[in-house]
Amino acid sequence: EPEVTQTPSHQVTQMGQEVILRCVPISNHLYFYWYRQILGQKVEFLVSFYNNEISEKSEIFDDQFSVERPDGSNFTLKIRSTKLEDSAMYFCASSPPGLAGRNEQFFGPGTRLTVL
Amino acid sequence: SQQGEEDPQALSIQEGENATMNCSYKTSINNLQWYRQNSGRGLVHLILIRSNEREKHSGRLRVTLDTSKKSSSLLITASRAADTASYFCAGYTGANSKLTFGKGITLSVRP
Repeated sequence: EPEVTQTPSHQVTQMGQEVILRCVPISNHLYFYWYRQILGQKVEFLVSFYNNEISEKSEIFDDQFSVERPDGSNFTLKIRSTKLEDSAMYFCASSPPGLAGRNEQFFGPGTRLTVL
Repeated sequence: SQQGEEDPQALSIQEGENATMNCSYKTSINNLQWYRQNSGRGLVHLILIRSNEREKHSGRLRVTLDTSKKSSSLLITASRAADTASYFCAGYTGANSKLTFGKGITLSVRP
């Protein structure tokens, strides 16, 4: 069964460093998302991406964050200068063609980011 | 406004019993989805129920949706120890495509 994959599973970085989290969505999906979950808290939406552009972003997704689909398969989240409070589990998700907001979102296993 | 508030926050049952988890929401939704998360792992999609549906089944899962009460329930029948996990409801609102998650329910199934 096709699934969303994410690498790395765990990333440790120093405060102020740049990190890139990678995702490979399910191949025929057209909508891509990043969410994060701080330990013990809710899963929070960061950004959605469709047709090679951001379609929606939350207030968390400030200028330190960017997303890119550099080729036909990868979807990346970059954090330019990490802060301690960026430590969280980051989930990538994708959903199939159809009206936005109508279909299941399938999540990857997550990347645990630890900022020291 | 918050979307997807589940109750109870924690539930402990014996293997073989049924587990019922509830979710309430404040704004209108297009559909509602339930996810499972094993400790420290990813989110597994369980079931989606659309706003024009009242009940849906998938294996041992039964989901109901009451749009007048803005609530949904997830029933797991004949629970197993492997069902031990956190369960989240999440909904789409309006024309956007983001999912808004509740805080989750921690289900423990004792063998």
